[in-house]
Amino acid sequence: GAVVSQHPSWVICKSGTSVKIECRSLDFQATTMFWYRQFPKQSLMLMATSNEGSKATYEQGVEKDKFLINHASLTLSTLTVTSAHPEDSSFYICSASLPKPGSYEQYFGPGTRLTVT
Amino acid sequence: QQQVKQSPQSLIVQKGGISIINCAYENTAFDYFPWYQQFPGKGPALLIAIRPDVSEKKEGRFTISFNKSAKQFSLHIMDSQPGDSATYFCAASRKDTGNQFYFGTGTSLTVIP
Repeated sequence: GAVVSQHPSWVICKSGTSVKIECRSLDFQATTMFWYRQFPKQSLMLMATSNEGSKATYEQGVEKDKFLINHASLTLSTLTVTSAHPEDSSFYICSASLPKPGSYEQYFGPGTRLTVT
Repeated sequence: QQQVKQSPQSLIVQKGGISIINCAYENTAFDYFPWYQQFPGKGPALLIAIRPDVSEKKEGRFTISFNKSAKQFSLHIMDSQPGDSATYFCAASRKDTGNQFYFGTGTSLTVIP
């Protein structure tokens, strides 16, 4: 149980275009999803926390107009990188927490490799 | 500011040996400490986690030791295998920040046959 999927697993886009990444909780309803960014051989950096039906909370330094997050349902959150530039190339990972009182676990998706040319 | 400090950055262990990775934190409000394993190109997978009310938790070959007074916790991998070669991240979380995870910087483990 507690499977999180991401789509696509990798994407190449041209500079200036936008790309959407989907994160789905497959066998549970996730009231909270998290989006992370990871550069090669580095740790995961939290970009934003997404709650179903409300606006995402962005971490300091993350441009909310550039990284649009929509958590439209209890099983789907999307991250749209708008007007992508080469420096946005990274590994984007989502996670979801179980809606269980006292539960701390986060389950991570397999990640999406974004390359902006 | 790095909320969770992890060491070593890389570790090479012989097959059958014990791999030990250490983490330290400052914020005493943290109340959940998971360890994640990540293979290249994949998302992190939860290995084992501990709460501060216990000093040790064991699951198979993986053991977390927790020292609340020293604000340190460590992952021990017994009988390390080449298949354990991966990057390991410790993390800390606290309820009052919506379960936001603060990750360590990661340890690249290589188990040589």
